[in-house]
Amino acid sequence: GNSVTQMEGPVTLSEEAFLTINCTYTATGYPSLFWYVQYPGEGLQLLLKATKADDKGSNKGFEATYRKETTSFHLEKGSVQVSDSAVYFCALRARSGGSNYKLTFGKGTLLTVNP
Amino acid sequence: NAGVTQTPKFQVLKTGQSMTLQCAQDMNHEYMSWYRQDPGMGLRLIHYSVGAGITDQGEVPNGYNVSRSTTEDFPLRLLSAAPSQTSVYFCASRDRGGSNEKLFFGSGTQLSVL
Repeated sequence: GNSVTQMEGPVTLSEEAFLTINCTYTATGYPSLFWYVQYPGEGLQLLLKATKADDKGSNKGFEATYRKETTSFHLEKGSVQVSDSAVYFCALRARSGGSNYKLTFGKGTLLTVNP
Repeated sequence: NAGVTQTPKFQVLKTGQSMTLQCAQDMNHEYMSWYRQDPGMGLRLIHYSVGAGITDQGEVPNGYNVSRSTTEDFPLRLLSAAPSQTSVYFCASRDRGGSNEKLFFGSGTQLSVL
């Protein structure tokens, strides 16, 4: 079946530090890949996405590249801010058959950025 | 534009009670879904619907019922609440098909079953 594995948290960084949150996946076919972000007390919001191999998704200074050869979609940001403190979820949407509408989420990684 | 609206935001139930979590969206989305979020488990799909009158089970459907009589509404029913259903519940919707794969989430319902 489909699955997403992302690095265990929590991750604590100082402002302006470099961020990497690792995400790897298992899926049949060629899934679409996503990063969602959940700020405290809110629902999830789409941060970025990539729909095919070698695509790079980017938004708000965050980037992630769809690596088919390593089945990975690692999230990176060059300089984090306090306002980036949130829980980050990696997710995939498989393209085959009845699972076409289902997102599979990782367990989430809590990021805390200190001033 | 309200997006996805969930009510209530908080609820406390006793074991065996029933209740309905409401979800409404005003974006004319065909696809709607319910997730539960538990610590260390991420989000798990409970039920989903690809249009009015069509529903299907997700990963963890037991103990929950859904119906979809209109495009806008997708209520989640707990028939006999159990402590294992203590969780945060999210409703989400999206356009069907095409290149728009963005899920829109509600702000969640925090449910405690005593």
